[in-house]
Amino acid sequence: NAGVTQTPKFQVLKTGQSMTLQCAQDMNHEYMSWYRQDPGMGLRLIHYSVGAGITDQGEVPNGYNVSRSTTEDFPLRLLSAAPSQTSVYFCASSYGRVWANVLTFGAGSRLTVL
Amino acid sequence: KNEVEQSPQNLTAQEGEFITINCSYSVGISALHWLQQHPGGGIVSLFMLSSGKKKHGRLIATINIQEKHSSLHITASHPRDSAVYICAVNAGANSKLTFGKGITLSVRP
Repeated sequence: NAGVTQTPKFQVLKTGQSMTLQCAQDMNHEYMSWYRQDPGMGLRLIHYSVGAGITDQGEVPNGYNVSRSTTEDFPLRLLSAAPSQTSVYFCASSYGRVWANVLTFGAGSRLTVL
Repeated sequence: KNEVEQSPQNLTAQEGEFITINCSYSVGISALHWLQQHPGGGIVSLFMLSSGKKKHGRLIATINIQEKHSSLHITASHPRDSAVYICAVNAGANSKLTFGKGITLSVRP
């Protein structure tokens, strides 16, 4: 099993460019989520999904879009990158809801916006 | 708003010591997660608990729902335990996690 796969691992963007961070899991997990991690701050939830076709906003959703067309994939789209979106991004999944199941994290994607 | 506080902020220990990392939160929760982040950046789930105590190897996690507090204990600490330990809580019947800032643990040989 590959677990949770995130691509790319590193990306440099210019302000205003768009890009998609990919997240895929092969564990048939219902729940998938995106977080950003910034120095001196805890992980913060961007968007999450409790199943195919269902997405919802987390704590810091502005500037990001998601979709969940399949159980396996949960891409995160930056529509017009800003320097404030420079961060390390983590995708995580769990078999069911987070109050009853542990999370499996991807390796992270480090994004720099110039 | 649910606040999650972890203490101490940084922790240095000698190999073999018993270590305790604390996590406090401000509202009632459905579950609490303990995560470990190694220097390379990867995050691993250690425990998910909603009551009582769980043990895995040298790691023990406890939670006191009434006091809104959880502890992560490491027995016979080892340099490979050096990592950031993160507490996260799920409040209510939603699917959102709120994270603490993490504790940086360094275990010296």
